[in-house]
Amino acid sequence: EVQLVDSGGGLVQPGGSLRLSCAASGFTFSGFGMTWVRQAPGRGLEWVASIDRDGSEKNYVDSVKGRFTISRDNAKNSLYLQMNSLRAEDTALYYCARGTNSLGDWGQGTLVTVSS
Amino acid sequence: DVVMTQSPLSLPVTLGQPASISCRSSQSLVHSDGNTHLSWFQQRPGQSPRRLIYKVSNRDSGVPDRFSGSGSGADFTLKISRVEADDVGVYYCMQGTHWPRTFGQGTKVEFK
Repeated sequence: EVQLVDSGGGLVQPGGSLRLSCAASGFTFSGFGMTWVRQAPGRGLEWVASIDRDGSEKNYVDSVKGRFTISRDNAKNSLYLQMNSLRAEDTALYYCARGTNSLGDWGQGTLVTVSS
Repeated sequence: DVVMTQSPLSLPVTLGQPASISCRSSQSLVHSDGNTHLSWFQQRPGQSPRRLIYKVSNRDSGVPDRFSGSGSGADFTLKISRVEADDVGVYYCMQGTHWPRTFGQGTKVEFK
């Protein structure tokens, strides 16, 4: 059974940093691209970033370019999102998902709140 | 960026009756690999999104066959042949052909 477990969220002040993690199991992690999607409170889904199978290609939504970095460790079956220079508008539930053209499985999400 | 426009944004439904959601993209979703990467997701209240349909019309494992996807190019539809109680929630389309990936605004399905 595919499992994606998101962690690392929390309360952070504007300008601060957080690193999200996604632990994957139940499938060959290195065989799939991976994606982060976020959902602000009461709002719709927003694609944030994707990474290909070996980490050589990364894509970001414009609003996070230069501030967020997606990465992966295939030996640890883990996906990461390093978030720097956080802003109030980054407040959201962050989900990791399997795939890049389509998102077949999703984690439970981890909540990031940016507030002073 | 490719804009995904769903309609309606709110869909009052009746148990046992059909329902349909439209999703239109601002440009063709045909990928250079020959596939059309249009997916549909269901998000029940308090839950993570769940994929129902990928590549326009392919139903995911475990998804009831009352859900179907159709369309081509830039015009797509999700149909529920007979609405059941656990179909309430928000439905999103997403394009996976162009960067950045984009979602529709979501369609809230609720009972009349």
